[in-house]
Amino acid sequence: DQQVKQNSPSLSVQEGRISILNCDYTNSMFDYFLWYKKYPAEGPTFLISISSIKDKNEDGRFTVFLNKSAKHLSLHIVPSQPGDSAVYFCAASALGGTSYGKLTFGQGTILTVHP
Amino acid sequence: EAQVTQNPRYLITVTGKKLTVTCSQNMNHEYMSWYRQDPGLGLRQIYYSMNVEVTDKGDVPEGYKVSRKEKRNFPLILESPSPNQTSLYFCASSFLGGQGYTFGSGTRLTVV
Repeated sequence: DQQVKQNSPSLSVQEGRISILNCDYTNSMFDYFLWYKKYPAEGPTFLISISSIKDKNEDGRFTVFLNKSAKHLSLHIVPSQPGDSAVYFCAASALGGTSYGKLTFGQGTILTVHP
Repeated sequence: EAQVTQNPRYLITVTGKKLTVTCSQNMNHEYMSWYRQDPGLGLRQIYYSMNVEVTDKGDVPEGYKVSRKEKRNFPLILESPSPNQTSLYFCASSFLGGQGYTFGSGTRLTVV
């Protein structure tokens, strides 16, 4: 039962263009969402997050959009750079519930940015 | 330097031979957690701990044990490893639990 789904295993983008990574979730109790980036041979690193009381959060080149009614979030990277090439994981948690330490991840999307 | 340290980085073992993967954090975080990463399945939470002596199951706890006797340490124990536990394991810690974890560099475990 995959509660957080990233349906695109990979995405290829030209340097300077926009990268859009998508994520869907099924658990309506989720109220906090995060994106992590992972390079080979390293652990995932936190990128950006959004609370369910917002629909957008920006941090430099990275913007996360949340559509609660559709149970969908997306990560926009503008402009994309070759150093952004990595695996991106979407994650969700239910901070209002009893399992405060539980963080559920999607399958990941491999982003490749071509020079 | 604030970090999560897990050891070993690589481990090859045989079916049924008990092993422990250690994890330590120096950030005084309340929460700690173990994940495994498998192709096509992403990161799946094995166990997490909210504080000393308080642990809870994640999504895939079968075949694993954990303990939290000290705040900084959270070892992962495989009492009788099997080949389906061959995976890349990550330890993580957090001050705010589900609001985001800091991950270690990973332990690649192979069970033959």
